[in-house]
Amino acid sequence: GQQVMQIPQYQHVQEGEDFTTYCNSSTTLSNIQWYKQRPGGHPVFLIQLVKSGEVKKQKRLTFQFGEAKKNSSLHITATQTTDVGTYFCVTGTASKLTFGTGTRLQVTL
Amino acid sequence: EAQVTQNPRYLITVTGKKLTVTCSQNMNHEYMSWYRQDPGLGLRQIYYSMNVEVTDKGDVPEGYKVSRKEKRNFPLILESPSPNQTSLYFCASRGIRTRSFSTDTQYFGPGTRLTVL
Repeated sequence: GQQVMQIPQYQHVQEGEDFTTYCNSSTTLSNIQWYKQRPGGHPVFLIQLVKSGEVKKQKRLTFQFGEAKKNSSLHITATQTTDVGTYFCVTGTASKLTFGTGTRLQVTL
Repeated sequence: EAQVTQNPRYLITVTGKKLTVTCSQNMNHEYMSWYRQDPGLGLRQIYYSMNVEVTDKGDVPEGYKVSRKEKRNFPLILESPSPNQTSLYFCASRGIRTRSFSTDTQYFGPGTRLTVL
């Protein structure tokens, strides 16, 4: 099945700094989804990207899908303590989803 | 309120003692799925169901069973739990061609933390 590698595994930033996590695949992806999981919580859907080169924004979060549809990124501008959590990229079909290993973000004041 | 519920939230049991983790959703979703989450491994799919009486294996089905007799419920059964099944389990559901919810959004339950001694 499809596999996605996610980097970095962990990042610690000061509040106000930017943060980026990357998701890479060796095969072309039909779509990519991003989820956020707060400490002690469950994954929550953020967004789905489908088109080559697609860019979507949600307030301070910018999501990109690569032109070749083999990679994706999530960029957070001016992080806040509320951004703490693990961010997962997810790909798959209607029945089978494959999660990346996640990037854990820690934000300190 | 649209939600996925799981019970129990926490469970400590012993090797070999059969257990069931229940999952229920109130969104009339066709698709339901079970995942386990382990440190460094992300979430891995155990089983999924596309509709009532339709189930299939995910990536790590060994040692687990599921059933889908009703649309809203999707219990996970461990017939003979072993310590390597100690994990955090999530149930999730997703609609297909629904009007009220995105067909792409998967809703997760709060999780069940299972420890097998």
